[in-house]
Amino acid sequence: EIVMTQSPATLSVSPGERATLSCRASQSVSSNLAWYQQKPGQAPRLLIYGASTRATGIPARFSGSGSGTEFTLTISSLQSEDFAVYYCQQYNNWPLWTFGQGTKVEIK
Amino acid sequence: EVQLLESGGGLVQPGGSLRLSCAASGFTFSSYAMSWVRQAPGKGLEWVSAISGSGGSTYYADSVKGRFTISRDNSKNTLYLQMNSLRAEDTAVYYCAKVQLVQGVILGYFDYWGQGTLVTVSS
Repeated sequence: EIVMTQSPATLSVSPGERATLSCRASQSVSSNLAWYQQKPGQAPRLLIYGASTRATGIPARFSGSGSGTEFTLTISSLQSEDFAVYYCQQYNNWPLWTFGQGTKVEIK
Repeated sequence: EVQLLESGGGLVQPGGSLRLSCAASGFTFSSYAMSWVRQAPGKGLEWVSAISGSGGSTYYADSVKGRFTISRDNSKNTLYLQMNSLRAEDTAVYYCAKVQLVQGVILGYFDYWGQGTLVTVSS
């Protein structure tokens, strides 16, 4: 099983600031990595796939980078609606998909 | 517009059974693999099971293998999860999700999710 480790667990950021979230895989997943956003009481929403491609309708302030074992999700200027939990997920080792434990982005 | 609507959750005793359903619309259901992902209260996401578009291939996480059965009825655009021998640790919100193919062969990421249905296993 590929273990996905996200850091930090919680990120405190002021509106308008940049947020940088990290995700590390226990072995290479190439670029087969996705990012999801989940708000309280809601289903996850796909943000990024292929490590760096934004999903349909996702604002340009969200960007993804990395390959192999190290990945980053950057939110360039946090808006109020961006405070949520973010999960990374590898699909290189399908169908044994695995998720990171999540990073909560909270208001500073 | 893609829509996924889960149903069938509820309270069940340990050792009991439950069948979840997920009604799909807005896309050609039979062309896509589908999956179930769960989230225990206050916890992260855990992949549970997946099925190919035809239904001919099924996949399970070790934690549910032998107890859960995934199936689909393409004539009804509906995905199912039969859950038997339920345990307290199966308590979670269960989401169905559409699986996007990558490079035509890789079962990739989950591009659409339902709102989830809560399963509580407790005596």
